[in-house]
Amino acid sequence: ETVMTQSPDTLSVSPGERATLSCRASQSISTDLAWYQQKPGQAPSLLIYDSSTRATGIPARFIGSGSGTEFTLTINSLQSEDFAVYYCQQYNSWPSLTFGGGTKVEI
Amino acid sequence: EVQLVQSGPEVKKPGESLKISCKGSGYTFATDWIGWVRQMPGKGLEWLGIIFPHNSDTRISPPFQGLVTISADKSINTAYLQWSSLKASDTAMYFCAKEGSGSYFRPAYFRQWGQGTLVTVSS
Repeated sequence: ETVMTQSPDTLSVSPGERATLSCRASQSISTDLAWYQQKPGQAPSLLIYDSSTRATGIPARFIGSGSGTEFTLTINSLQSEDFAVYYCQQYNSWPSLTFGGGTKVEI
Repeated sequence: EVQLVQSGPEVKKPGESLKISCKGSGYTFATDWIGWVRQMPGKGLEWLGIIFPHNSDTRISPPFQGLVTISADKSINTAYLQWSSLKASDTAMYFCAKEGSGSYFRPAYFRQWGQGTLVTVSS
């Protein structure tokens, strides 16, 4: 099973700043990685797939990058609505789909 | 508009059985994988399994094999997650989600999600 490790667990940033979130795979997953955002009391929502493709309606300030085992989600100029928990998910090791443990972005 | 509407919250006792549902609309239900994801209180997301309603091709994540059953009835656009004997540790929010790449051979990410069903198991 491919294990996904996210860091840090919590990221404290101020509105307008940049946030950089990391996701590491235990083995190479090419670019088969998605990022999700989850706000309190809500279902997750898809942000990025194929490592760097933004889902429909996702603002350009969300940038995904990486391949192999190292991936990054960058959120430029954080807005108040961006404070949430972010999860990565790999889909290279089908039939196993695994999520990372999440990074909470807080003020 | 694609929508996934899940059944309401459940409160059960240990040892009881349960079946929760996820009804899809706004797309061809039978030809997109539907996955199930668990979120225990205050914790992260865990993938339970996935089903392709057209032929009921089902894969269960190894830690959950034998613990949950996933099924679907394509005639009513509904997927199900069920337990035969609940434990207190099954207390969690359960989400269904529609696969987003459109690939049958290699399901990938989840583009749309249901609102979640809270399952509480307590004596």
